[in-house]
Amino acid sequence: NAGVTQTPKFQVLKTGQSMTLQCAQDMNHNSMYWYRQDPGMGLRLIYYSASEGTTDKGEVPNGYNVSRLNKREFSLRLESAAPSQTSVYFCASSRWGGNYNPIYFGEGSWLTVV
Amino acid sequence: AQTVTQSQPEMSVQEAETVTLSCTYDTSESDYYLFWYKQPPSRQMILVIRQEAYKQQNATENRFSVNFQKAAKSFSLKISDSQLGDAAMYFCAYRSAGGNEKLTFGTGTRLTIIP
Repeated sequence: NAGVTQTPKFQVLKTGQSMTLQCAQDMNHNSMYWYRQDPGMGLRLIYYSASEGTTDKGEVPNGYNVSRLNKREFSLRLESAAPSQTSVYFCASSRWGGNYNPIYFGEGSWLTVV
Repeated sequence: AQTVTQSQPEMSVQEAETVTLSCTYDTSESDYYLFWYKQPPSRQMILVIRQEAYKQQNATENRFSVNFQKAAKSFSLKISDSQLGDAAMYFCAYRSAGGNEKLTFGTGTRLTIIP
């Protein structure tokens, strides 16, 4: 039962490099999300996609882009990484049809920008 | 904008005892949902329990229960018969009932279980 799968799990980048975090879910969920978690803070929403073909900004979208490739996949791209983007990134998904539906999270991706 | 506050950065409890984690939130909405998530050292976010604001009955899931006080905008989590596996960060989260699907998190409470 895979659920939400993120890759890579760990990555070290140099300032200015680019990279893409991949996420896929096998629960047939419509909505997908990218969050970041920093020490002493809860998770903060970067971008979300309510359905295939749509994306919207969350609280902290600057420096990121996303692509909802299809219903299963939602990628997060850092075009020019900065040390402030050092964080743990979580992809998540949720069934559409009522916000009572829980959000299911992947295992997280540890990103360090040096 | 909604905010979620967890005023206890750290809590500890003896194994087999009961502990209550506090959460308050601020919103102008009347319909919404509240969640507690657990994050063990593995960092996986695990849903513990959820509550619908229009339901007066407090949610329960085995050893986990909530005390939902809508007028006070309070949503505390009670863990009974604490076990070593309950050691984790616990996050309270708020989600609107419609429209914006954003899940707003508190800053978390680190729970330590003392053997």
